[in-house]
Amino acid sequence: EDQVTQSPEALRLQEGESSSLNCSYTVSGLRGLFWYRQDPGKGPEFLFTLYSAGEEKEKERLKATLTKKESFLHITAPKPEDSATYLCAVQAPGTYKYIFGTGTRLKVLA
Amino acid sequence: DTGVSQDPRHKITKRGQNVTFRCDPISEHNRLYWYRQTLGQGPEFLTYFQNEAQLEKSRLLSDRFSAERPKGSFSTLEIQRTEQGDSAMYLCASSLAPDQETQYFGPGTRLLVL
Repeated sequence: EDQVTQSPEALRLQEGESSSLNCSYTVSGLRGLFWYRQDPGKGPEFLFTLYSAGEEKEKERLKATLTKKESFLHITAPKPEDSATYLCAVQAPGTYKYIFGTGTRLKVLA
Repeated sequence: DTGVSQDPRHKITKRGQNVTFRCDPISEHNRLYWYRQTLGQGPEFLTYFQNEAQLEKSRLLSDRFSAERPKGSFSTLEIQRTEQGDSAMYLCASSLAPDQETQYFGPGTRLLVL
């Protein structure tokens, strides 16, 4: 069964303390892996799409990487405004639906 | 490009009532998706449209749930005889076939069934 597991469930960082979030997946043939940010009470906001192992994408303090079995979202020198839940999703062949993980709740303290 | 919009943003209803939600996708996006999200969980897929055709449905979409996308533009999701377990955030997303796999989400409709 296609599955996405995110870790840790929650993470507290001091402002400027870099860290990484993990998304591991089991899917037979990955069509795409997607990272979203979600603030409380709002819809997910698109961050990155990754398609193949070795691919990397960057945006401001965020960098997403992809291997054959997992993806990492690296946060460099985070700020309090980076506090949110970060969701990972995969798309399998033969379907357009996303399978989401349960997310990592990130809190960055000033 | 004004983004995906959803209406209403919040809905409180009594158990047994019917509710209908509307989603307006990004203009020219021909794929539209509905997801449901409960507290502490990631969104779960409900159904998918390409233009006006409903091409995929989750087993989560019971007989009380129905979705339509007339004319391939906006979509509606109706829940009949609501139950307390239907309380959740209902999210709509859209994407552009065939070039984009990325789905863009709306702000969601939060449903509370009393």
